[in-house]
Amino acid sequence: AQKITQTQPGMFVQEKEAVTLDCTYDTSDPSYGLFWYKQPSSGEMIFLIYQGSYDQQNATEGRYSLNFQKARKSANLVISASQLGDSAMYFCAMRGVTGNQFYFGTGTSLTVIP
Amino acid sequence: EAGVAQSPRYKIIEKRQSVAFWCNPISGHATLYWYQQILGQGPKLLIQFQNNGVVDDSQLPKDRFSAERLKGVDSTLKIQPAKLEDSAVYLCASSLFWGQYTEAFFGQGTRLTVV
Repeated sequence: AQKITQTQPGMFVQEKEAVTLDCTYDTSDPSYGLFWYKQPSSGEMIFLIYQGSYDQQNATEGRYSLNFQKARKSANLVISASQLGDSAMYFCAMRGVTGNQFYFGTGTSLTVIP
Repeated sequence: EAGVAQSPRYKIIEKRQSVAFWCNPISGHATLYWYQQILGQGPKLLIQFQNNGVVDDSQLPKDRFSAERLKGVDSTLKIQPAKLEDSAVYLCASSLFWGQYTEAFFGQGTRLTVV
């Protein structure tokens, strides 16, 4: 079975500072993908960044980077230079070879303070 | 490229009534998902289609929920009869490929309130 754990229900960050959102996972699949989604108050899930389990380098997309530590089964999201528009819920998700569905964590609510 | 379209955006019904949600995925996306997101929780899979075939409906309450994907494109999700605990956001998502390395794109969701 796949499991995603996000232990930070809420986080605050000062505008222009960097913030790290934690995610740990558990799976028996030999290969898998890890994803981060942003969900603003409007409700839509917006894809941010992806990391494959066999990727040697950490993924980066603009201000987003994924700190992937396979041995520790963690896939933390780092947002640099936070902006007010970054305030939202953030979900970590995993997709394995078994079943092919996306498994989501419980999310972290990020608030950017001016 | 148009995104995943869902309608309606909001729906309020009384318990025991029926309701239907519609989803139009991104053109060419073979995999379609319906997720239920209860307030304060992460999305939970209800049903997954590959083209017009059901791949996984193990978490779909089949006594009251049904879904179909005609011609492998649009999909509808129905609840009949609704219960109070069905109040949630229903998210439709689509993915281009079957495989663990492909992201899914989500619609804006339908927020259902059962009173």
